[in-house]
Amino acid sequence: QQQVKQSPQSLIVQKGGISIINCAYENTAFDYFPWYQQFPGKGPALLIAIRPDVSEKKEGRFTISFNKSAKQFSLHIMDSQPGDSATYFCAATWAGSYQLTFGKGTKLSVIP
Amino acid sequence: KAGVTQTPRYLIKTRGQQVTLSCSPISGHRSVSWYQQTPGQGLQFLFEYFSETQRNKGNFPGRFSGRQFSNSRSEMNVSTLELGDSALYLCASSTGTEGLAKNIQYFGAGTRLSVL
Repeated sequence: QQQVKQSPQSLIVQKGGISIINCAYENTAFDYFPWYQQFPGKGPALLIAIRPDVSEKKEGRFTISFNKSAKQFSLHIMDSQPGDSATYFCAATWAGSYQLTFGKGTKLSVIP
Repeated sequence: KAGVTQTPRYLIKTRGQQVTLSCSPISGHRSVSWYQQTPGQGLQFLFEYFSETQRNKGNFPGRFSGRQFSNSRSEMNVSTLELGDSALYLCASSTGTEGLAKNIQYFGAGTRLSVL
């Protein structure tokens, strides 16, 4: 059972455009939702994270929007740059756990 | 501060062999988790150790095992390798203590295992 569903699988965006990646979860016990960025040959790196008590969190060009009632959250990358080209994973976990449940990933390509 | 270090970076083994992978967490981190990453299944949780004790285990067969040492370094072992075990194995460390930082996990670059 896939507890975190991520879409799209791949995304091509023009430089300067907005990249949007969506995730939906099933387990209502989840209370921490991080996004990870992974470049080829590297491990995932934490990009930004949110807890369900807020509906939006912004860090620079990266914003997480969170809809608790719909059990959905999304990552917006504003002013996308070629250097943002990477695979992005949403994830979820719950209080007291160190086990991250990941979405299947979105490969983002930002073209000049 | 040095990041999470995994060794070796690449491994080639044949079916039926066993393999041991090593992970050194960030200094001061006491929790170490292991994940398997494959193109088909994505990132899947294997197990998590804290203070030399396994606290949580994912849905993998008993051929996958691990341990943690008193200095928080961790090893994972896969016995009787199968072709399907070919994957990138990632180690992540976190403080393991309570508070907002508890859930933040820092990943190493991984060990790429190829089973022939």
